[in-house]
Amino acid sequence: GAVVSQHPSWVICKSGTSVKIECRSLDFQATTMFWYRQFPKKSLMLMATSNEGSKATYEQGVEKDKFLINHASLTLSTLTVTSAHPEDSSFYICSARAGATQGSPLHFGNGTRLTVT
Amino acid sequence: AQKVTQAQTEISVVEKEDVTLDCVYETRDTTYYLFWYKQPPSGELVFLIRRNSFDEQNEISGRYSWNFQKSTSSFNFTITASQVVDSAVYFCALALIQGAQKLVFGQGTRLTINP
Repeated sequence: GAVVSQHPSWVICKSGTSVKIECRSLDFQATTMFWYRQFPKKSLMLMATSNEGSKATYEQGVEKDKFLINHASLTLSTLTVTSAHPEDSSFYICSARAGATQGSPLHFGNGTRLTVT
Repeated sequence: AQKVTQAQTEISVVEKEDVTLDCVYETRDTTYYLFWYKQPPSGELVFLIRRNSFDEQNEISGRYSWNFQKSTSSFNFTITASQVVDSAVYFCALALIQGAQKLVFGQGTRLTINP
């Protein structure tokens, strides 16, 4: 089945540093990937839609200069949290659609737990 | 705008009991998809089912069944003969068929199956 790999699974960084999270589709090509954020015991909130070869589309309220998204190939999207602060600590999950047809189910990565100290 | 409501924040039952997780959605669009995902303690999201708005047939997959009723905008999920391994957070989600298919998630229901 379709597999989405996310790396790292967890990361601890100091306040002010930047962290890069990778999302890879291992056995399919994904022209579109999605980045979600999940606060503890909360639902998933869409942050942005990552489009291969073009700029990401950010949801309202998400700072594009803080959460940099790059989708340089059909199998890789990256999310960089720049100048991280403790309030950025969260669980970040990417997803991608396997299949060319609309409605193909989205497959999610295992998520990255970011802790900013 | 779309909205998904899972009114049950937490449910706790004893193993082998049947349990139903409620999901109510709102959208003005007539074409959409509904999903259920399972999030075990490890954190990953596991796809369970997708249903499109044209198909109101109920579906059964082993111990899992889903009841889709457009008249009440509900897409409820029932687990029969629950097992401890069913313990997880379950999310209901909606995506429009037109457009980028961004998922809108409900708040999730934390299901605990006690032995």
